[in-house]
Amino acid sequence: EVRLVESGGGLVQPAESLRLSCSASGFTFSSDAMSWIRQAPGKGLEFVSMISSSGDIAYYSDSVKGRFIISRDNSENTLYLEMTSLRVEDTAVYYCVSSGNWGQGTLVSVSS
Amino acid sequence: EIVMTQSPATLSVSPGERATLSCRASQSIDNNLAWTQQKPGQPPRLLIYGASTRATGIPARFSGSGSGTEFTLTISGLQSEDFAVYYCHHYNNWPRTFGQGTKLEI
Repeated sequence: EVRLVESGGGLVQPAESLRLSCSASGFTFSSDAMSWIRQAPGKGLEFVSMISSSGDIAYYSDSVKGRFIISRDNSENTLYLEMTSLRVEDTAVYYCVSSGNWGQGTLVSVSS
Repeated sequence: EIVMTQSPATLSVSPGERATLSCRASQSIDNNLAWTQQKPGQPPRLLIYGASTRATGIPARFSGSGSGTEFTLTISGLQSEDFAVYYCHHYNNWPRTFGQGTKLEI
């Protein structure tokens, strides 16, 4: 069974940083591209970032480019999202996604 | 950026009826389209990929069709657990983008 477990969310102030993690199991992690998708409260879904299976190619939405960094550790089956210069509009549930499988999400709240 | 437009925003139907949801892409995405279902308080769940292939464990009452720019999700014989929000998204290139969602309500 595929399992994706996000962690690292929380309440931070604007301009602060946060690191999200996603622990994966039940599939060959090193063979799959991985994505972070977020959902602001009461809103729709937004692709934030995606990383290739080997980790050498990464994509970012314009809204986070230059502030977020996606990475992965294939030896630990873990996906990361380093978020810096956080803004109020980054407040959302962040989901870790692989080949259509979704984690439960972790809530990031940015507020002063 | 490819814009995905879903219609209608809200669809009111009765259990047992058929629901037809539409998704339009601003440019051709071949069949690189997926449908996702989200119930309140739950993470999304993949229903359809490749425009018409059901994901593992998805009942046959869910069917997808279309290619290019026009796509349809049909749910036949609606059951109570099908009332949710449905999103389409493309994976033709980056950035992937979602439609704004269709809320299926009783």
